[in-house]
Amino acid sequence: QQQVKQSPQSLIVQKGGISIINCAYENTAFDYFPWYQQFPGKGPALLIAIRPDVSEKKEGRFTISFNKSAKQFSLHIMDSQPGDSATYFCAASTGGYSTLTFGKGTMLLVSP
Amino acid sequence: DGGITQSPKYLFRKEGQNVTLSCEQNLNHDAMYWYRQDPGQGLRLIYYSQIVNDFQKGDIAEGYSVSREKKESFPLTVTSAQKNPTAFYLCASTSSKGANVLTFGAGSRLTVL
Repeated sequence: QQQVKQSPQSLIVQKGGISIINCAYENTAFDYFPWYQQFPGKGPALLIAIRPDVSEKKEGRFTISFNKSAKQFSLHIMDSQPGDSATYFCAASTGGYSTLTFGKGTMLLVSP
Repeated sequence: DGGITQSPKYLFRKEGQNVTLSCEQNLNHDAMYWYRQDPGQGLRLIYYSQIVNDFQKGDIAEGYSVSREKKESFPLTVTSAQKNPTAFYLCASTSSKGANVLTFGAGSRLTVL
């Protein structure tokens, strides 16, 4: 049973455009929502994360928007660059001793 | 530099053979994890360990085994019972008892011939 649904599976954006990746969850006990970035042949790395007490978090060109009532959160990449081309994973956890549950990933390609 | 070292990076094995993937960390992290990555399937948890000499099954533990004899090391054995072992395997660790901030290794790609 997939607890975190991520879309789209792949995305092509022109340089300078906005990339948007969406995730939805069912478990209302989730209280931590990170995004990981993975380049080919490498392990994922934490990009940005949010907790449900805020609706938005911004770090540079990367923004997480969080909608608690809709049980959805999204990653926005402003002014997308070719170097942003990677696979992005959303995830969620209930904190404490719980483990992260990952979405299936979105392969982003930013065309020059 | 602190980090997670996975070896080997590429591994080929014949059907019916067991293979062990190494994972070593020098981050002084308490918890360690093994994930399997397949195209379009995301990251699926195989096993995790929050303390030495203790570990728990994840979502897809069948056909795998682990040990945690040292804090720094968490090797994964892919046994012949794993029906579809060809995949990219990722080891991760975290400093907290929760898995809020995972540090991943560079991965090991296993191909069964």
